[in-house]
Amino acid sequence: GAVVSQHPSWVICKSGTSVKIECRSLDFQATTMFWYRQFPKQSLMLMATSNEGSKATYEQGVEKDKFLINHASLTLSTLTVTSAHPEDSSFYICSARGAPETQYFGPGTRLLVL
Amino acid sequence: DAKTTQPTSMDCAEGRAANLPCNHSTISGNEYVYWYRQIHSQGPQYIIHGLKNNETNEMASLIITEDRKSSTLILPHATLRDTAVYYCIVEGGNNRKLIWGLGTSLAVNP
Repeated sequence: GAVVSQHPSWVICKSGTSVKIECRSLDFQATTMFWYRQFPKQSLMLMATSNEGSKATYEQGVEKDKFLINHASLTLSTLTVTSAHPEDSSFYICSARGAPETQYFGPGTRLLVL
Repeated sequence: DAKTTQPTSMDCAEGRAANLPCNHSTISGNEYVYWYRQIHSQGPQYIIHGLKNNETNEMASLIITEDRKSSTLILPHATLRDTAVYYCIVEGGNNRKLIWGLGTSLAVNP
């Protein structure tokens, strides 16, 4: 149990385009989902926390207009990187927390912006 | 949130027990100790967590000292597939966020 999926697993896009990443909890309902970013040889950095049906809470320094988060249901959250630039290239990872309140992570999405 | 301190890297022989230490001297009473691992280019994998009692599951054992200021994750029979970065995280309280350090890079050698 406690499986979290992400789609796509990798994406290459042109600078200026938008990219949407989906995060799904497959076998449990996630009241809270988290989005992280990880650069090479660095640890995970929390970008935002989203609760189902409400606006996401962004960490300091994360632009909410650039990284749009939607948590429309208890099993799905999406992260849209708007007007992507090469510096947005990174490994994006989501996690979901339900009951019991352990965070389970998706496999990650590798984004490369050309 | 309490911070944790872990060794940067460790080595372990295949088949032997791997003991990964973690210091969390500023942990407060309602904070849990969580362990995750991350294999290269994958999302983190949950291993185990505990509050004050020792815990064991199919993956590992977690030993928490009586004063809760440190803990040890034990992989009883390490395999090559256990090579990963292991993160010790303290979580709880009102914040409920996981704050990630650099973890311990464990290399299991044949």
